[in-house]
Amino acid sequence: EDQVTQSPEALRLQEGESSSLNCSYTVSGLRGLFWYRQDPGKGPEFLFTLYSAGEEKEKERLKATLTKKESFLHITAPKPEDSATYLCAVQGVSNDYKLSFGAGTTVTVRA
Amino acid sequence: DTEVTQTPKHLVMGMTNKKSLKCEQHMGHRAMYWYKQKAKKPPELMFVYSYEKLSINESVPSRFSPECPNSSLLNLHLHALQPEDSALYLCASSQSGTGVNSPLHFGNGTRLTVT
Repeated sequence: EDQVTQSPEALRLQEGESSSLNCSYTVSGLRGLFWYRQDPGKGPEFLFTLYSAGEEKEKERLKATLTKKESFLHITAPKPEDSATYLCAVQGVSNDYKLSFGAGTTVTVRA
Repeated sequence: DTEVTQTPKHLVMGMTNKKSLKCEQHMGHRAMYWYKQKAKKPPELMFVYSYEKLSINESVPSRFSPECPNSSLLNLHLHALQPEDSALYLCASSQSGTGVNSPLHFGNGTRLTVT
C-alpha cells in the first residue's frame, strides 16, 4: 500500500524567513508525486507534478524537488499570502486513479 | 476562481431528506471524482467516473449515489444520511480518462451538515 508522511505538521514563519516542507513516501512504483495548496474552506489547488528523481519545478516563491524517497517543497522569502495547508500526494503503478495523500503541513506566515 | 464549479456551497439537511450535490467542468476532462474531506484530514476518494462510466466505488455506503449525466456534469445524490456524514464534499476532474499521471483539479466543495 502506498504511504505518504508529511512533516512538520505545522510551521510558523516570519515573513521573509525561508523554510522547507518534507514529504516522505513509500510506493511500489512511482507514477507521479503531486503538491497541492489548500486554503481554509476551499478545495485543494494544484501546484506541481514530479515524475522522477532529480526533477525540480518552480512557481513564484515555491520550488519542489524529488528524490527516490522524499520530496521537498521549499518556500523562499514567504509572504502572509503563502499561509495555507500544503498537501503531498503520490500515485503508484498499482493505482490508476487513486492518490495517496499525506496529512498536510499547515504553514502560517506572520507579517 | 476554480474551473470546477460545485453547487451548493453550503447544505444543511436532516437525516430523512433527499438532496443532490452538483459539479460541472468545461475543461474537456475525461475523468471526474468525488472526494470527502473531514476537518484537518486529507481528502478521501469516494467515486471515479471515466468517460462517463463508473470506474471506482471505494466501498461507499448506498446512501450516497453518484451520477454522471454527461462528460461535463457529475452529481452526488444523498439520502438518509447520518450526522457523521457531515464534511466538505469535493469534486475534481482530470484530463486523462485513465487517471494516470494527470493532476486533479478540484472545485471549492460543498460544506454539508447533517442534523
